[in-house]
Amino acid sequence: GESVGLHLPTLSVQEGDNSIINCAYSNSASDYFIWYKQESGKGPQFIIDIRSNMDKRQGQRVTVLLNKTVKHLSLQIAATQPGDSAVYFCAENGSSNTGKLIFGQGTTLQVKP
Amino acid sequence: KAGVTQTPRYLIKTRGQQVTLSCSPISGHRSVSWYQQTPGQGLQFLFEYFSETQRNKGNFPGRFSGRQFSNSRSEMNVSTLELGDSALYLCASSFTPTENYGYTFGSGTRLTVV
Repeated sequence: GESVGLHLPTLSVQEGDNSIINCAYSNSASDYFIWYKQESGKGPQFIIDIRSNMDKRQGQRVTVLLNKTVKHLSLQIAATQPGDSAVYFCAENGSSNTGKLIFGQGTTLQVKP
Repeated sequence: KAGVTQTPRYLIKTRGQQVTLSCSPISGHRSVSWYQQTPGQGLQFLFEYFSETQRNKGNFPGRFSGRQFSNSRSEMNVSTLELGDSALYLCASSFTPTENYGYTFGSGTRLTVV
């Protein structure tokens, strides 16, 4: 069935280090992927997205890499800050004609000062 | 501009009761999707509405239903509540279903069933 899975449930990093959060997906029909950040008591917040015709996309301090060959997605956060502490979800759209997103289980990022 | 607004923020209901949750999308957004978030199951898709029509439905029992109004506001209803329905219910909006960029989530409604 469709699934988006995360490799690690918790990631602990030192402030200032780079963070890498990984995600595996199984639906080869997915052509759109999103990373969300969710802080306690809030809804998921859009971080960055990427379409399947791209391998890499950069934002402010964040980079998303897409490897379609192995169905792998990663989120890189440069110079991680305490405010980056949150749960991070990857999501895929399954197909381009639906508003349904398939979410991974989430990775908790803990930033140590 | 205002974000996605969900009301109420918190609800406590008793088993067997029913509940209605509301979602007001970002102005101009016509697509609304609902998700249930629990610690054990994560974020699971409930349904999607566009132009007052349900376009997609997740794998939830018929006790879960929804609708969308002409102003794009959406409501979801859960009847005959069960303890397992306790969750954070999230609403997301976008301009259209096919414009995948721009999914914006509300802060959710925390439903507790006792």
